[in-house]
Amino acid sequence: QKEVEQDPGPLSVPEGAIVSLNCTYSNSAFQYFMWYRQYSRKGPELLMYTYSSGNKEDGRFTAQVDKSSKYISLFIRDSQPSDSATYLCAIKAAGNKLTFGGGTRVLVKP
Amino acid sequence: DTEVTQTPKHLVMGMTNKKSLKCEQHMGHRAMYWYKQKAKKPPELMFVYSYEKLSINESVPSRFSPECPNSSLLNLHLHALQPEDSALYLCASSQPAGGTRMNEQFFGPGTRLTVL
Repeated sequence: QKEVEQDPGPLSVPEGAIVSLNCTYSNSAFQYFMWYRQYSRKGPELLMYTYSSGNKEDGRFTAQVDKSSKYISLFIRDSQPSDSATYLCAIKAAGNKLTFGGGTRVLVKP
Repeated sequence: DTEVTQTPKHLVMGMTNKKSLKCEQHMGHRAMYWYKQKAKKPPELMFVYSYEKLSINESVPSRFSPECPNSSLLNLHLHALQPEDSALYLCASSQPAGGTRMNEQFFGPGTRLTVL
């Protein structure tokens, strides 16, 4: 079993819909949670990060962490074609090492 | 300045060549990373430098040799690579881990390497 599991998709939604992405993890030592967006042939771009359980909102993006269930989510409201990308969850414990999920490819259709 | 820069953007090399990838950041970060990313896969950690010292080597073959000349620069020296080493090589930087600090990593755009 991988330490971080993420559905590879692709996830195809119409423009304006809510995109729902999630990851599950197995290691209770993980305590920092990040979401990256990666466009084709580009480096990952940090979207959101959080330390605690609960919700964190930034514009159209909401990150949700449930440490008791070892489950994290990212919601994108009012999705746009420019949101079409691969979304990677990344989780870490106390050190420097990030553990990535496999990434979910999202396609927002006009 | 929240940017990590990498040069070159693209590199094609033969199996007998020696080349270097370069990474630079001016965010005052003291941890720097090299990742390898194959198509449709997540980034795979190769090396971590913390305060200019190598702190993590993920059992990377010796044909890859990292170097951190100062706190802003990170190099990856390449020698006798194989075609399967063709990938996107990503550099990242962060504050070093410690306390409750998040030390989120910021990535560069990558160098697309092709080994013939």
